[in-house]
Amino acid sequence: SDELTQPPSVSVSPGQTARITCSGEALTNQYSYWYQQKPGQAPVMIIFEDTERPSGIPGRFSGSSSGTTVTLTISGVQAEDEADYYCQSADTTGFYVVFGGGTQLTVL
Amino acid sequence: QLQLQESGPRLVKSSETLSLTCNVSGGSISSSYYWGWIRQPPGKGLEWIGSIYFGGSTDYSSSLKSRISIFLDTSKNQFSLKLRSVTAADTAVYYCASISGTYAIGPWGQGALVTVSS
Repeated sequence: SDELTQPPSVSVSPGQTARITCSGEALTNQYSYWYQQKPGQAPVMIIFEDTERPSGIPGRFSGSSSGTTVTLTISGVQAEDEADYYCQSADTTGFYVVFGGGTQLTVL
Repeated sequence: QLQLQESGPRLVKSSETLSLTCNVSGGSISSSYYWGWIRQPPGKGLEWIGSIYFGGSTDYSSSLKSRISIFLDTSKNQFSLKLRSVTAADTAVYYCASISGTYAIGPWGQGALVTVSS
């Protein structure tokens, strides 16, 4: 299967660490990407190629990869981090873009 | 800095064709690997629709393949989407975006909410 599976929701208190996982067979041989989407806005890339952070993205966002699972970690969560987060990759053939179902991060 | 902007009718009647254009500024449409369309139904997640390579070849979502066409207009530095035989299930925010050779998506357009009416 080329599906990417994310938990629907994650809740965390301010200052704590949030971890959002994304699982799928394609992740063993395709790069993963993470996007943050706030209400009414287009998604913004926050992690590319599994672990890299685009310029302008705060250092509290990091990505890691292990086998068929990639993880977005937000250290020292802030209220402004409350958003939907999507993982994305390509399918195993490398021809099609695949998105995870998205995870709603709630900052308590 | 590359910028993308969707344009086109925001209201389409059921069974008709949805047509959207993405205007690219700040760079040439012939210089990037792929250009793509992604949609997001209200309150739901992101769905990839399809992509077009700067050389003109296309890849389409298997679930939409029979109804979509994506094409480039290099003279106008824009690319377009046509989705035929729409239904209420096609109501969504449609985003255009640049896609790298390793499938990183960005930048994105601001999105266009297209509503299919009966």
